[in-house]
Amino acid sequence: QVQLVESGGGVVQPGRSLRLSCGASGFTFSRYDMHWVRQSPGKGLECVASVIYDGRNKYYADSVKGRFTISRDNSKKMLYLQMNSLRADDTAVYYCARGKTVFRPDYGLDVWGQGTMVTVSS
Amino acid sequence: DIQMTQSPSSLSASIGDRVIITCRASQSLNDYLNWYQQKPGKAPRLLIYAASSLQSGVPSRFSGSGSGTAFTLTISNLQPEDFATYYCLQSYSTPMYTFGQGTRVEIK
Repeated sequence: QVQLVESGGGVVQPGRSLRLSCGASGFTFSRYDMHWVRQSPGKGLECVASVIYDGRNKYYADSVKGRFTISRDNSKKMLYLQMNSLRADDTAVYYCARGKTVFRPDYGLDVWGQGTMVTVSS
Repeated sequence: DIQMTQSPSSLSASIGDRVIITCRASQSLNDYLNWYQQKPGKAPRLLIYAASSLQSGVPSRFSGSGSGTAFTLTISNLQPEDFATYYCLQSYSTPMYTFGQGTRVEIK
């Protein structure tokens, strides 16, 4: 079935780095834009990074620009988020989510992973 | 950037009630507006896409309407499993999307 599975979360000290991964299965990964969405404890949802289907164009929220890097490996059906210079306010559950494809009408973000928790604390 | 304003931020309702949640955009989205349900500890679940299309498997008591800058999510005949937080999401400014602030639906 269509599935996204995140990994790589954990507890990290401020200023350190962490890399999140998201494995896709059950669909043609290379046809879809992909996104990282985070949710701080007790807060709402924020789209922090996005990459189009072929990886050529990437977009970031102002809150993470210059610190986070999104990438994908279509041959491995994997999405990544490299997080550098982490701050306490980066503490959140990070979800990967499937976005648009030219092969069908827009469904927003229709498939989500289970999320991985990142805690930035000394 | 497109700003999304969702209201109310929370509401109390009883089983069987009709609930309406509103989302307004800072510019026209055409119909690129989606609705999600989220329960504690779980990922968001897509309910409505393209403003008014019901996602497969979602009960028909959920419906969406609107276009341009004003949208609504209606839950008819509220059920116990519907108590959750609901979010709107604009997918017009692809690929950087924006969520509304969320509406928590609680039991009265």
